[in-house]
Amino acid sequence: SYELTQPPSVSVSPGQTARITCSGDALPKQYAYWYQQKPGQAPVLVIYKDSERPSGIPERFSGSSSGTTVTLTISGVQAEDEADYYCQSADSSGTVVFGGGTKLTVL
Amino acid sequence: QVQLQESGPGLVKPSQTLSLTCTVSGGSISSGDYYWSWIRQPPGKGLEWIGYIYYSGSTYYNPSLKSRVTISVDTSKNQFSLKLSSVTAADTAVYYCARRLGAAAGFDYWGQGTLVTVSS
Repeated sequence: SYELTQPPSVSVSPGQTARITCSGDALPKQYAYWYQQKPGQAPVLVIYKDSERPSGIPERFSGSSSGTTVTLTISGVQAEDEADYYCQSADSSGTVVFGGGTKLTVL
Repeated sequence: QVQLQESGPGLVKPSQTLSLTCTVSGGSISSGDYYWSWIRQPPGKGLEWIGYIYYSGSTYYNPSLKSRVTISVDTSKNQFSLKLSSVTAADTAVYYCARRLGAAAGFDYWGQGTLVTVSS
């Protein structure tokens, strides 16, 4: 079955830039989406269609794509950005797939 | 503002059927733009997509769960429902309902989630 691979954890100091990657063979052909999930809360969409930002999401969140890897970048990380981040895409048949999640720690 | 709210039993016995309902408010489930999904998250683990339904009733399920899943819609009540049969402890999870804009889009609105525990 199709898989999306994320690093289990990323750590940054406040004000620095955090980059979270997501790799998958179908990513050149399928859009990627990113979600932020804080403890005890439902996920929140922070990036759609690889690089678009929904209204209400701070400008410090951005997305990019290169080949089989997509990247979520958080510039000027703040303490409130500490959360789990999940990428999501689909395989060629349309089955939705989530990455395993990355825990972002703000030191 | 669209809101989604899951409801159903929080405890299900092994081998029985898990049944949940998602009530949509602030928008019509019959809007042709959206696909209505179920997603689950075992405690301390990642997200797993279960399946979606279109207002017309057409469905698409995760192949790994397809043999046990049924998703249905009741447009008169603005609700959609999940049934998962023959549950085991591995089905213990927080179950979320969510809205998807288009068949190949992201999930822009989520319910708060409901914990379902499978235990005798």
